[in-house]
Amino acid sequence: EAGVAQSPRYKIIEKRQSVAFWCNPISGHATLYWYQQILGQGPKLLIQFQNNGVVDDSQLPKDRFSAERLKGVDSTLKIQPAKLEDSAVYLCASSLNPPGKGKTQYFGPGTRLLVL
Amino acid sequence: AQKITQTQPGMFVQEKEAVTLDCTYDTSDPSYGLFWYKQPSSGEMIFLIYQGSYDQQNATEGRYSLNFQKARKSANLVISASQLGDSAMYFCAMREDNTGTASKLTFGTGTRLQVTL
Repeated sequence: EAGVAQSPRYKIIEKRQSVAFWCNPISGHATLYWYQQILGQGPKLLIQFQNNGVVDDSQLPKDRFSAERLKGVDSTLKIQPAKLEDSAVYLCASSLNPPGKGKTQYFGPGTRLLVL
Repeated sequence: AQKITQTQPGMFVQEKEAVTLDCTYDTSDPSYGLFWYKQPSSGEMIFLIYQGSYDQQNATEGRYSLNFQKARKSANLVISASQLGDSAMYFCAMREDNTGTASKLTFGTGTRLQVTL
């Protein structure tokens, strides 16, 4: 079974530029999550989708971050314009619905973003 | 207050020895789940083990076991017979079940484990 796919793996941009990340969850997983992991910290949830609807975006900086999951499968996270403090690893995760054992989330390899 | 606390920024263990990574949590939700993830230098978060708040027995998965002490609100990870490939960051996380429709995980700050020869 294929895991969660993310691209690109690495991205370097200058501040005020825009950037987009893509995620394809595990087949059949209705729930998709985007996390931000700043160096030295644990991941922090940015947004959670159930199929193509948003169920939690309380920690998403909506003035510059946006995300969509139009067909309920893959998802795109965008930052526009980027700030220096957005340098982080952006992790995508997915889980079953109805949930599997413990509602376990499975993570992709992440996208490492460096804003200069 | 921190919901998940991992007090050990770094740990060393010799190959083939056992090691315990500490995790304490804070919640008023009677139903919750506790998770441990491993993050190698490649960056991917690898699920290791899960413990539900109503589970009577401690969870085990191969060389991993979770020492769940509900009254103390601790969920320590025990790795037996450490291997060099166990060197990585380890994160404890919690999901609270009665917080609406979201099932987000709240993570601790992690413990970096280094296995030595």
